[in-house]
Amino acid sequence: AQSVTQLDSQVPVFEEAPVELRCNYSSSVSVYLFWYVQYPNQGLQLLLKYLSGSTLVESINGFEAEFNKSQTSFHLRKPSVHISDTAEYFCAVNYAGNNRKLIWGLGTSLAVNP
Amino acid sequence: GAVVSQHPSRVICKSGTSVKIECRSLDFQATTMFWYRQFPKQSLMLMATSNEGSKATYEQGVEKDKFLINHASLTLSTLTVTSAHPEDSSFYICSVPVTGGLPDTQYFGPGTRLTVL
Repeated sequence: AQSVTQLDSQVPVFEEAPVELRCNYSSSVSVYLFWYVQYPNQGLQLLLKYLSGSTLVESINGFEAEFNKSQTSFHLRKPSVHISDTAEYFCAVNYAGNNRKLIWGLGTSLAVNP
Repeated sequence: GAVVSQHPSRVICKSGTSVKIECRSLDFQATTMFWYRQFPKQSLMLMATSNEGSKATYEQGVEKDKFLINHASLTLSTLTVTSAHPEDSSFYICSVPVTGGLPDTQYFGPGTRLTVL
């Protein structure tokens, strides 16, 4: 079955520390990968995506994620987090042949503390 | 500015009544819109795909007679929760996918918080 696993439901971290939010998906020949972010009391926003090409993708606010086909992972990283990064982060996957439907992870709550 | 709007943002209703939620694509025409449901501290669950000019496609386990979807125009889709019950209380979100050959970005509405008393 097609599935997305976010291993950590909550990640507390201190400001300026590095962080990694993990995302694994069930194996498939072709996938498109997304990270969405939901800030408190706001709607979902696209953070970054992998469609094709370079396996390392970056966002405008310093996050990056690397598509690892052999490990079926798309972990999200940031070398130094800010208080403003506190949010819920969702990994989502579109499996080829699944039209534009996304399969979602359960989300990871990132809490950045001073 | 917002690409997708939803109305209302919050609604409280009595059990047994029906509630209509609107989703509007503000910047571009949308032949397809998605309706999601999000429970507290949980991920999004796709309920149905709204198709302009044809019937909605419902996900397994979603009652089509309870959650009526009408894609009235290329910029508007509505979700009507009929005979709402407390277990229908949830956060309902619509999204509009960017058109194109590849699955790509979805623009999400701000969501509608439904509380059924």
